[in-house]
Amino acid sequence: EAGVAQSPRYKIIEKRQSVAFWCNPISGHATLYWYQQILGQGPKLLIQFQNNGVVDDSQLPKDRFSAERLKGVDSTLKIQPAKLEDSAVYLCASSSPLLTYEQYFGPGTRLTVT
Amino acid sequence: AQSVSQHNHHVILSEAASLELGCNYSYGGTVNLFWYVQYPGQHLQLLLKYFSGDPLVKGIKGFEAEFIKSKFSFNLRKPSVQWSDTAEYFCAVNARYGGSQGNLIFGKGTKLSVKP
Repeated sequence: EAGVAQSPRYKIIEKRQSVAFWCNPISGHATLYWYQQILGQGPKLLIQFQNNGVVDDSQLPKDRFSAERLKGVDSTLKIQPAKLEDSAVYLCASSSPLLTYEQYFGPGTRLTVT
Repeated sequence: AQSVSQHNHHVILSEAASLELGCNYSYGGTVNLFWYVQYPGQHLQLLLKYFSGDPLVKGIKGFEAEFIKSKFSFNLRKPSVQWSDTAEYFCAVNARYGGSQGNLIFGKGTKLSVKP
């Protein structure tokens, strides 16, 4: 089966600019997650979707981050405006309705904010 | 709040050496436990998992982990490492609340370098 797809793989922007990341989960996976992984740390959950509804966005900095999953499949994560501390790898993961505890990760988008 | 501690930041071993990576978590209730691995240039992938039953679980590529509830630990082991095991290893935990599950909390990771 095809894995979780993410694009772009790399992005360099200046602070105060905006950026968007795209994720296509594994077919049939109802749950989609966005994580932020700062260098030297483990992934930290930003937001979790169940179909097109938000389950948990308690750690999403809502003043600058937004995410949507309009049709319950693809998702986009946006940062506007970006700060230097947003430099990180942004990971998308998905899980199936039957095995919600097993998450499958995409390759990530490495964001550098200068 | 839950947390996961991985005490070794970077481990360097020679091929054929035995490996043990420590993982401790803080949560008093029922948990699911995971080890994920990230090989150079690749994405995170599940190495092994524990939900219930036998506390000694076996994963892919000869890895195993033992859940010791009294010590809140889930250490990863391999009797003989290979150069291809060079990767970063992440321990992760999520709490179980009745029929639902909490978020996956990751440790900071342990980088393993195996010298040929």
